[in-house]
Amino acid sequence: LAKTTQPISMDSYEGQEVNITCSHNNIATNDYITWYQQFPSQGPRFIIQGYKTKVTNEVASLFIPADRKSSTLSLPRVSLSDTAVYYCLVGVYNNAGNMLTFGGGTRLMVKP
Amino acid sequence: NAGVTQTPKFRVLKTGQSMTLLCAQDMNHEYMYWYRQDPGMGLRLIHYSVGEGTTAKGEVPDGYNVSRLKKQNFLLGLESAAPSQTSVYFCASAEGASIEQYFGPGTRLTVT
Repeated sequence: LAKTTQPISMDSYEGQEVNITCSHNNIATNDYITWYQQFPSQGPRFIIQGYKTKVTNEVASLFIPADRKSSTLSLPRVSLSDTAVYYCLVGVYNNAGNMLTFGGGTRLMVKP
Repeated sequence: NAGVTQTPKFRVLKTGQSMTLLCAQDMNHEYMYWYRQDPGMGLRLIHYSVGEGTTAKGEVPDGYNVSRLKKQNFLLGLESAAPSQTSVYFCASAEGASIEQYFGPGTRLTVT
């Protein structure tokens, strides 16, 4: 599984757009990029997943450049409730079990 | 629809004691996982199962055993607890080879 590197922490203010970048220089051809969100004292929650270019859902957007060596999670107009740890994961998802490898994540603090 | 539930929520053990953590899911998912999360760290996979009656080792399996006798339940056992096993344990389930794992609320275990 490819190793990922993310900023340890980020601060933002309510209403701003937040972009969290993840580096994955050793990503393999079959790897997908997935982001999870974890609130204190809760289990992680799936946010978004992509392979290339751009993916958007009701929560976030995921931007993946052509070389796929990095990706950016974009959270539009954050609120206080978006304060959480965000994990970037890279791996192959198949019938062998879909083992997820979580790094340290990015601790996002949204201030009023 | 309760999703993924874990029992118990908290537990304190003395070194050498044994215990079993229960994970139950009502989504008819094939895949189930056990992770541990140490303070300030990401999750690490202990064991997983791709179906009833099957189990496999994850990243940190030593000191733990698992069983999947019923599709909806995944048990994690500690035969002889050690202080190094103090952690928060999360169970997750997924539908087949889906990348989206659903996590339980966690069990906070302290071994003294």
